Amino acid sequence: QVQLVQSGAEVKKPGASVKVSCKTSGYTFANSHITWVRQAPGQGPEWMGRTSPYYGDTNYDQKFQDRVTVTTDTSTMTAYMELRSLTSDDTAYYFCATGRNWFDTWGQGTLVTVSS
Amino acid sequence: QSALIQPASVSGSPGQSITISCTGTSSDIGGYNSVSWYQQHPGKAPKLMIHDVSDRPSGISNRFSGAKSGSTASLTISGLQAEDEAHYYCSSYTNINTVVFGGGTKLTVL
Repeated sequence: QVQLVQSGAEVKKPGASVKVSCKTSGYTFANSHITWVRQAPGQGPEWMGRTSPYYGDTNYDQKFQDRVTVTTDTSTMTAYMELRSLTSDDTAYYFCATGRNWFDTWGQGTLVTVSS
Repeated sequence: QSALIQPASVSGSPGQSITISCTGTSSDIGGYNSVSWYQQHPGKAPKLMIHDVSDRPSGISNRFSGAKSGSTASLTISGLQAEDEAHYYCSSYTNINTVVFGGGTKLTVL
């Protein structure tokens, strides 16, 4: 079955960067977009961006455009999301999911806490 | 892109039907048949319930149905069950090739 397993929780200081990984299995990695969504505690999800492992193209929400990078490693079937210049507002769960415009399999989420 | 608008909460008794609305604009819901709905229980990842306005993924009960009229989408849950109590989120593809989510609706089964 399709599985997405994310890296563990992170604690970062303001101004730092964080890189979250998403190890996939159970499907052909190149055949599906990987999307990143974040969710602050008690809030709704926020779409951050997506990438196509096959084509290598990416799309980002304007809100994160300048400080997020989404990449993939097809040899290990792993996706990565790096967010830079962290502030306390970036404290949230970060999820990877398969799909371009709708998301049928999700990772378990990675809690990123930004605190001085 | 502003978040889609959902009611903060809805409630219903077991066996009843409820409908959750999701209002957007012509730049998202009104312009594309790419509306999805997700169910989220506390501490869990969202679960896809409906995609492309009214399509159910394999394994999702037919008690869940979706529809769209203009720039408003809706999710109907019939025959409410206790395990349906959760947060529900809508999402839509947008005219700038992104996806926007709704703020979420808390469903309480009385």
